[in-house]
Amino acid sequence: DGGITQSPKYLFRKEGQNVTLSCEQNLNHDAMYWYRQDPGQGLRLIYYSQIVNDFQKGDIAEGYSVSREKKESFPLTVTSAQKNPTAFYLCASRDGQGGSPLHFGNGTRLTVT
Amino acid sequence: QQQVKQSPQSLIVQKGGISIINCAYENTAFDYFPWYQQFPGKGPALLIAIRPDVSEKKEGRFTISFNKSAKQFSLHIMDSQPGDSATYFCAARDPTGTASKLTFGTGTRLQVTL
Repeated sequence: DGGITQSPKYLFRKEGQNVTLSCEQNLNHDAMYWYRQDPGQGLRLIYYSQIVNDFQKGDIAEGYSVSREKKESFPLTVTSAQKNPTAFYLCASRDGQGGSPLHFGNGTRLTVT
Repeated sequence: QQQVKQSPQSLIVQKGGISIINCAYENTAFDYFPWYQQFPGKGPALLIAIRPDVSEKKEGRFTISFNKSAKQFSLHIMDSQPGDSATYFCAARDPTGTASKLTFGTGTRLQVTL
């Protein structure tokens, strides 16, 4: 059953701690994305990667970091530099073909207190 | 700068009624306009999409109407059902640059009542 797995579903951290969100896909997709979702603000792009060992900043990359060491995996680290880290984080992927749709995971809700 | 403006923010429709959600965009380079449906606690899922060379696309009870000159597109849900209650996002793709990226609207929370 192909898809995108994000874990954990809920994550709680203390302010000042870095935290890494997992995203794994078995769709054999080339491109992977991280979005942040806040109430009333839609989905905003944090980082994206088109191929292994390469990634680019999205619209709100400050305070986040990523890696793409394997095609299947695209973990996101929320650092202590991120001013408002509490949010719903969505990972997505699509294959390299133009016009292919974006597939989303079921998200990780991060709460930082 | 919000490149895709979506309205209304929330919508309540009776069962069997028509739900209409509107989006407007500014970037004329956008070449693909999908709509996503999101249920609570889940990720968004592609519902229907349209390209700007077509004025309307219908899939079952869901229809996208596209007005290129006005830079607007809308989602119509006919015979709305309680199971349609979800948040809907419009989006637009910019094909320029090194990667095509989607810009999303702010979402519309639809509630279909009995």
